[in-house]
Amino acid sequence: RKEVEQDPGPFNVPEGATVAFNCTYSNSASQSFFWYRQDCRKEPKLLMSVYSSGNEDGRFTAQLNRASQYISLLIRDSKLSDSATYLCAVPGDTGKLIFGQGTTLQVKP
Amino acid sequence: EPEVTQTPSHQVTQMGQEVILRCVPISNHLYFYWYRQILGQKVEFLVSFYNNEISEKSEIFDDQFSVERPDGSNFTLKIRSTKLEDSAMYFCASSETGINQPQHFGDGTRLSIL
Repeated sequence: RKEVEQDPGPFNVPEGATVAFNCTYSNSASQSFFWYRQDCRKEPKLLMSVYSSGNEDGRFTAQLNRASQYISLLIRDSKLSDSATYLCAVPGDTGKLIFGQGTTLQVKP
Repeated sequence: EPEVTQTPSHQVTQMGQEVILRCVPISNHLYFYWYRQILGQKVEFLVSFYNNEISEKSEIFDDQFSVERPDGSNFTLKIRSTKLEDSAMYFCASSETGINQPQHFGDGTRLSIL
């Protein structure tokens, strides 16, 4: 299994839809998980941190499933401005972030 | 909101030349990182730095690469003799306390090697 794996998509959804992405990780000892948003040719921007079972921030919900070693990101009521690539990141033993290849979301009017 | 700043935003260099990429991490952060992203690929770790020394480096970070924190604010990445395959976006990141803490990224330097 790759260290961090994501379905690259693209996910094409209409405005207002609910969409969910999964990210699987290989290190069962991982304690923290991060979702970043990356716009084309820009830097990763922190979207959410996950330390326990999950986290919620407005329309965004992250959930952790330790037994199956995946985290998910749910976006409700999608907006056009949500179109971006969503990166899952898991810290390695020394703190470096290990990124997945990202999932691309296109929200269409 | 405090942010990580990077200069230059774009650097074009001839193969074989030296480049220095500069970063100013968030002021109260103690852990510093460099990552790179080749166009169309994922973000890859290069090196981490804490307490004025390298904590970890990846296989990419060979003898051509070095990092330095020359003063209390700047954090630099030097590539001594650039190759075509060094063309990428280079991101600096910092975190307050290291492991299990989120890292905040600068807006990157696009390095183009001709």
